[in-house]
Amino acid sequence: DTAVSQTPKYLVTQMGNDKSIKCEQNLGHDTMYWYKQDSKKFLKIMFSYNNKELIINETVPNRFSPKSPDKAHLNLHINSLELGDSAVYFCASSPGTGIGKLFFGSGTQLSVL
Amino acid sequence: AQTVTQSQPEMSVQEAETVTLSCTYDTSESDYYLFWYKQPPSRQMILVIRQEAYKQQNATENRFSVNFQKAAKSFSLKISDSQLGDAAMYFCAFYTSGTYKYIFGTGTRLKVLA
Repeated sequence: DTAVSQTPKYLVTQMGNDKSIKCEQNLGHDTMYWYKQDSKKFLKIMFSYNNKELIINETVPNRFSPKSPDKAHLNLHINSLELGDSAVYFCASSPGTGIGKLFFGSGTQLSVL
Repeated sequence: AQTVTQSQPEMSVQEAETVTLSCTYDTSESDYYLFWYKQPPSRQMILVIRQEAYKQQNATENRFSVNFQKAAKSFSLKISDSQLGDAAMYFCAFYTSGTYKYIFGTGTRLKVLA
């Protein structure tokens, strides 16, 4: 069983489109994250939810909207896609308390043409 | 604000040799955790090793060990008996429970030469 699964793995789309990436974790963790990895491999946190509540919202364009229907799911919706949104997006989860490690999904490579 | 710095964009090591990857961080917190993650070409992020700041003993995991110098805010990763499968990007990361935030360095690309 995959601990953190995100879909799709690859997403190719045109500028201006709207797309969603889904993430689910079966670890019983309280905290979930979205990270963006750019072409230089830099990993930057975007959002974090703890028990469905938004706790981290970094400086991200409001075209990006996370949604957590329950603590096992965290989806990312992106409106009006731009060329600069092309990146790998990672979902991750952690226990939220103590020193649990961060468990990553396999990433979604988004290419905006 | 916490920061993590990896000053070596790229390193090379001969197979079976030892290599050390550097990481420094800046924080005013006393209780925090440090990690090294590996990202092979498959893109998957894999935890290599973890260190709790309150522990003086350096963490080890098989061929991987760290040199944790709390006063110097340094957390280097040593890979012994390097193998071809160790070739990857390595990221140093910092976490403090009050922020829920894992902060990553810019990464070091490790090449292993046969």
